[in-house]
Amino acid sequence: SQQGEEDPQALSIQEGENATMNCSYKTSINNLQWYRQNSGRGLVHLILIRSNEREKHSGRLRVTLDTSKKSSSLLITASRAADTASYFCATAVLTGANNLFFGTGTRLTVIP
Amino acid sequence: ETGVTQSPTHLIKTRGQQVTLRCSSQSGHNTVSWYQQALGQGPQFIFQYYREEENGRGNFPPRFSGLQFPNYSSELNVNALELDDSALYLCASSYWGGETQYFGPGTRLLVL
Repeated sequence: SQQGEEDPQALSIQEGENATMNCSYKTSINNLQWYRQNSGRGLVHLILIRSNEREKHSGRLRVTLDTSKKSSSLLITASRAADTASYFCATAVLTGANNLFFGTGTRLTVIP
Repeated sequence: ETGVTQSPTHLIKTRGQQVTLRCSSQSGHNTVSWYQQALGQGPQFIFQYYREEENGRGNFPPRFSGLQFPNYSSELNVNALELDDSALYLCASSYWGGETQYFGPGTRLLVL
């Protein structure tokens, strides 16, 4: 079974609006990462937040992490049509190889 | 774009056949991980290779096997293909112990 679950499964917004995606996970983690995937192609790493961090920014991206609730959120501000993609959270656990456990993803559509 | 390449981009096989997928890691990366992504799902960890040995494996049967070569490139082999093996296969490279993995564009496998 997959570690994370994203919510919502799909999101449609107008260009310029903000998009918020949520991720919940099940076990203790080293870090949580967000990836983007265009049309079933390769994954692009967006941002990483460590378990001892609560918030992180990168350009138009803002990620929060609440380890007590085992949840994270990704905020994309001032969205653009080019942001249309699937977004996945992935967790790296404390033991074993540094493999990633992915959620099922949020499909974001930004309407021009 | 990452420096990770995969070949072939698409492949069609019939049930019972065997397939080999290839991955060249980003320059300097010594660890390769493989993931399977079924349609509409998030990627699932298959296994990871470091120093030419398997280092961690997900919930996949032994008919999924791999190799890593001295130049850190890698192969994924799947024997006795089943219809459910139809998926996008992604490889990712990283430094050993590195937090971030860099993904290739994937190989889309269709089993008929």
